[in-house]
Amino acid sequence: GESVGLHLPTLSVQEGDNSIINCAYSNSASDYFIWYKQESGKGPQFIIDIRSNMDKRQGQRVTVLLNKTVKHLSLQIAATQPGDSAVYFCAENEVTSYDKVIFGPGTSLSVIP
Amino acid sequence: DSGVTQTPKHLITATGQRVTLRCSPRSGDLSVYWYQQSLDQGLQFLIQYYNGEERAKGNILERFSAQQFPDLHSELNLSSLELGDSALYFCASSALAGRDTQYFGPGTRLTVL
Repeated sequence: GESVGLHLPTLSVQEGDNSIINCAYSNSASDYFIWYKQESGKGPQFIIDIRSNMDKRQGQRVTVLLNKTVKHLSLQIAATQPGDSAVYFCAENEVTSYDKVIFGPGTSLSVIP
Repeated sequence: DSGVTQTPKHLITATGQRVTLRCSPRSGDLSVYWYQQSLDQGLQFLIQYYNGEERAKGNILERFSAQQFPDLHSELNLSSLELGDSALYFCASSALAGRDTQYFGPGTRLTVL
């Protein structure tokens, strides 16, 4: 079946550098995407979302880019901090079912002090 | 703290048994979602309730059932437990149905021996 997947399962970055986490999706009908952060021992936490009528959306220190042509989205974290160490999930919302969210496998981000 | 509470935090039981997981949504939220997170399956959407009614169903086994009560808290019932049911079970809530930000609880870790 169609699913959301991540290219890189683990990512290590130096504190202060920018991080880029990538995600590929295969369902062309998906039109809403969400990034979640999950710290060890906690539940996922909403970071930012983007709808398919947008290519880019910015939040506080984070930017999500969406490329519908190649079915790819990315999460950019500026000036990565130790507190950013976590597992990051991209998720898609199917247009045919507004309430069902499909999560990707996740990328583990490790920030080196 | 997301405002979503889940009890118990940990649960250890034997195969064949039945357990009930409880979730209290954020104050005012009408939607409750249940997810299962395991090492081999990742984060899987199980079921969603909105204002007491089932609204969306995901990969929920027939041995599992859920309900949302008039006070909006929700319970997930798992029966005839198998070793493979060992996982983290998360509840999330949102104010409305549809593409509304979901706030996750801390999870219940279920271990089936």
